[in-house]
Amino acid sequence: DAGVIQSPRHEVTEMGQEVTLRCKPISGHDYLFWYRQTMMRGLELLIYFNNNVPIDDSGMPEDRFSAKMPNASFSTLKIQPSEPRDSAVYFCASSSNTGELFFGEGSRLTVL
Amino acid sequence: AQKITQTQPGMFVQEKEAVTLDCTYDTSDQSYGLFWYKQPSSGEMIFLIYQGSYDEQNATEGRYSLNFQKARKSANLVISASQLGDSAMYFCAMTEMNTGFQKLVFGTGTRLLVSP
Repeated sequence: DAGVIQSPRHEVTEMGQEVTLRCKPISGHDYLFWYRQTMMRGLELLIYFNNNVPIDDSGMPEDRFSAKMPNASFSTLKIQPSEPRDSAVYFCASSSNTGELFFGEGSRLTVL
Repeated sequence: AQKITQTQPGMFVQEKEAVTLDCTYDTSDQSYGLFWYKQPSSGEMIFLIYQGSYDEQNATEGRYSLNFQKARKSANLVISASQLGDSAMYFCAMTEMNTGFQKLVFGTGTRLLVSP
């Protein structure tokens, strides 16, 4: 099994640009999560989906962030416009009903 | 209030010795799950061990064991016979019944350094 696949692995962009991060969960997993990791704030849950439906987006920092899951095998996290403080590693994770999260390798975002 | 508290920002241990990484949690749920994840310098998150709140025995997985003290709300990770490859960040995390056991909340982590 391929595991959770994230792209891009690294992204460097300029302030004000749109950033789109992508995630393919493990096949058969009903839950998908987006986390952000920074030195200052640690691992923060941004949003999670169940069966493609957003369940809890209370961790999304502000309106510049949006996430979608158009089907069971794909999700995006979009930042528009990006700011330097958005620089972080963004993890996607998926799980079945067992609760164990399987993480992708993360997307390291640097906003200049 | 912090749901998960890891008070040790960094820990040092010599190879082959045991080390305990502390974790305390806060919940009013009767049913919850506790997890430990390892994050090596390469960045990936690796699941180590799970303890359910109703599990009477402490969870063990190879060299990892979870010292679960429910009354004290602590779920410390014990690594026996440390190896150089154990050097990493370690995160304690929790899910609760009121979120359907799906919302995993992490502590701030402990960086473990194993020396030869």
